[in-house]
Amino acid sequence: GEDVEQSLFLSVREGDSSVINCTYTDSSSTYLYWYKQEPGAGLQLLTYIFSNMDMKQDQRLTVLLNKKDKHLSLRIADTQTGDSAIYFCAESAYNQGGKLIFGQGTELSVKP
Amino acid sequence: GAVVSQHPSWVICKSGTSVKIECRSLDFQATTMFWYRQFPKQSLMLMATSNEGSKATYEQGVEKDKFLINHASLTLSTLTVTSAHPEDSSFYICSARRTPGQPSGEQYFGPGTRLTVT
Repeated sequence: GEDVEQSLFLSVREGDSSVINCTYTDSSSTYLYWYKQEPGAGLQLLTYIFSNMDMKQDQRLTVLLNKKDKHLSLRIADTQTGDSAIYFCAESAYNQGGKLIFGQGTELSVKP
Repeated sequence: GAVVSQHPSWVICKSGTSVKIECRSLDFQATTMFWYRQFPKQSLMLMATSNEGSKATYEQGVEKDKFLINHASLTLSTLTVTSAHPEDSSFYICSARRTPGQPSGEQYFGPGTRLTVT
């Protein structure tokens, strides 16, 4: 079945870049998403990328997609303490009726 | 735009009672809403897909008689946890997709409801 995997923890210093990685198995994935979850809150959609794209940039966020390796990454430039949160990648596929398959989440800790 | 609310934000109930959680799309219509459950430090587990005007589709292993879902309008879906037990304690999150759907299919999430069953 479909599977999405992420590393569980990432720690960076304020001002550095953060790179959060994700791998997925479903080759029919059409869209891939990055969500942010702060403690005790729901998920905030950060960005998404269509599977025929290689890169998408939105202010401090850069998404890279390697479809051949089924690898997705999220780069946060100039990471701030307010970026500390859990980041989930998720995929959806045309034949899944809109369901999202989530990774385990990466806890990003930003140290001043 | 694309705001989803949940009510209540947290609830404590006694074992054996039922609890209803509401999920509302405030500034858009949603034909489809999703209900997730999240355990501490874990990912979201999809429980069911709720379609307006029809029966919900439950994921494998989710008891539909225990977790009753009603999607009576394009802006409201409810999840009722019946005869709650301590093992039902969890963080329940809903999400909604716009109608008409955007090709990107993104879901907008509510803030979640913390359920504690004593």
